[in-house]
Amino acid sequence: ETGVTQSPTHLIKTRGQQVTLRCSSQSGHNTVSWYQQALGQGPQFIFQYYREEENGRGNFPPRFSGLQFPNYSSELNVNALELDDSALYLCASSPRYSAEQYFGPGTRLTVT
Amino acid sequence: KNEVEQSPQNLTAQEGEFITINCSYSVGISALHWLQQHPGGGIVSLFMLSSGKKKHGRLIATINIQEKHSSLHITASHPRDSAVYICAVRWIGGGADGLTFGKGTHLIIQP
Repeated sequence: ETGVTQSPTHLIKTRGQQVTLRCSSQSGHNTVSWYQQALGQGPQFIFQYYREEENGRGNFPPRFSGLQFPNYSSELNVNALELDDSALYLCASSPRYSAEQYFGPGTRLTVT
Repeated sequence: KNEVEQSPQNLTAQEGEFITINCSYSVGISALHWLQQHPGGGIVSLFMLSSGKKKHGRLIATINIQEKHSSLHITASHPRDSAVYICAVRWIGGGADGLTFGKGTHLIIQP
């Protein structure tokens, strides 16, 4: 059974650019959540996807968007990058109706 | 605003000491998680609790629902326990709202 994987590991982008981060959920998990963790802070919930639809969202602007695919893998897209978007982006997968969450290793995004 | 508070923020102890990290939250929860994060970022789930107590090796987690408080204990601490320990909760009725996290406790165990 493979765990949650994320790609890329590190990424450097320039302000105003767009970025796509990817997450492969653990086998059998159909729910994926994305979190942003700024340096020295706890993670903040961005949104959650279940069966290819967003079904929960935190306090993030619309330039943060996502997709979930039929194999339950997921993408996080951020448009018009700002310096404050520099953070560790974590995804977590879980079986539906389970409070368990299994985290990936994260993607560290730096915006210059 | 629903909040999660952890204490202490930073903790340095000697190898072998008994460690306690505390977490309190503001309203009812359906589940509380204790997570471990090493430098480099990856998060490992240690425990998920909705009541009582759980033990895994040298780690013990307890929760008091009435007092809205949980503790994570580490017995016979070791330098490899050095990490950030994070408490996270799922609010009652917040199934699609993800977890709300504390800011973490940065633990250093010195040999």
